[in-house]
Amino acid sequence: DAGVIQSPRHEVTEMGQEVTLRCKLISGHNSLFWYRQTMMRGLELLIYFNNNVPIDDSGMPEDRFSAKMPNASFSTLKIQPSEPRDSAVYFCASSPGQLLSGNTIYFGEGSWLTVV
Amino acid sequence: SQQGEEDPQALSIQEGENATMNCSYKTSINNLQWYRQNSGRGLVHLILIRSNEREKHSGRLRVTLDTSKKSSSLLITASRAADTASYFCATDLRETSGSRLTFGEGTQLTVNP
Repeated sequence: DAGVIQSPRHEVTEMGQEVTLRCKLISGHNSLFWYRQTMMRGLELLIYFNNNVPIDDSGMPEDRFSAKMPNASFSTLKIQPSEPRDSAVYFCASSPGQLLSGNTIYFGEGSWLTVV
Repeated sequence: SQQGEEDPQALSIQEGENATMNCSYKTSINNLQWYRQNSGRGLVHLILIRSNEREKHSGRLRVTLDTSKKSSSLLITASRAADTASYFCATDLRETSGSRLTFGEGTQLTVNP
């Protein structure tokens, strides 16, 4: 399996522009997580889906952030408008089942976003 | 403070030495996992220990869990330069019904050849 696939790997954009990050889950996985990693705040959970349904978006920082899962294998994280403080590495991760049952999370390689 | 705090924040050792990293957490967990992150890469799962387990081994890795002290340790024996990475503990909290992992801030391990 190719693992969790994220695109783009690197993006530099100007403040105010819309940013769309994409993620393809591992086939058969039904949980999807978006994390953000910065030096200051570490790894933060932004939102998590189970079976395509958003379960908890309490980590989404503002209304400028939105995430969708239009089908079982694909998700997008959109920032509109982007701001310099959104600069971070955004990770998508998936899991084959409930973490309670001892499942683990498989991370993509991340999307490195710089907003100037 | 974040659930899952690693100690130390940074550790530098010589190849062949053992590396011990600690993790403390605040609330009850279902299980605790350790992940590794190489520079510029995503996190990779290393080992999982359930709340009813006290010790687990995987190759050169040994994980312990003390639920009474709400702490875990990760021991890497006979370290190699390739073990240089950041190591994170992640907890699956009972209060979230096992729905997510909460990560600590990580320990940066440097193994000098």
